[in-house]
Amino acid sequence: QVQLQESGPGLVKPSETLSLTCTVSGDSISNFYWSWIRQPPGKGLEWIGYIYYTGSTRSNPSLKSRVSLSAETSKNQFSLRLSSVSAADTAVYFCARDAGTGIGIFDSWGQGTMITVSS
Amino acid sequence: DIQMTQSPSSLSAFVGDRVTITCRASQNIIIYLNWYKQNPGKAPNLLIYAASSLQSGVPSRFSGSGSGTDFTLTISNLQPEDFATYYCQQSHRPPITFGQGTRLEI
Repeated sequence: QVQLQESGPGLVKPSETLSLTCTVSGDSISNFYWSWIRQPPGKGLEWIGYIYYTGSTRSNPSLKSRVSLSAETSKNQFSLRLSSVSAADTAVYFCARDAGTGIGIFDSWGQGTMITVSS
Repeated sequence: DIQMTQSPSSLSAFVGDRVTITCRASQNIIIYLNWYKQNPGKAPNLLIYAASSLQSGVPSRFSGSGSGTDFTLTISNLQPEDFATYYCQQSHRPPITFGQGTRLEI
């Protein structure tokens, strides 16, 4: 059974870059597309972007210029970098497996990690 | 972007009831519509994909229907563990977008 675990700093200062990593166990990241999704406190879900192990990526245009996605197959991990963060980026960040080969059928999720942007 | 609109935003029901949640897309998404359940403080859980296909392990009291722009999630014989927030999500065209959620309360 696949398991995903997000790791990150918890607190990021405004204008800095947020870095998150998702470690996958029970499956190879080479087998699927992998996405990041976030949820501001008390609000709905926002798709951030996906990555395939080849390095192919796609991001939400609302964030595209600030988002960088990467994958490290040797560690079975993939990562998100979000630059120039502001309070609007405060959210729970989830990583998820896409069983739909990039179209977005998220059948496994990490537990989520809360990221607060504050000085 | 494809806008997804759910109704109602919240819903009260009793154990044993049958409830229906509606999701409308701003353009034709064929059957590329998925439903998720989210308990407080937890990650969403996939219930239905491709409008009507039941995800493995999900109880059969959950069902989905629809195509084009209008979709429904029906939960029959509500159980206590079904009281949660439900989201629809389109997987037809990037960017992937979600509905605003429907909170189902006991």
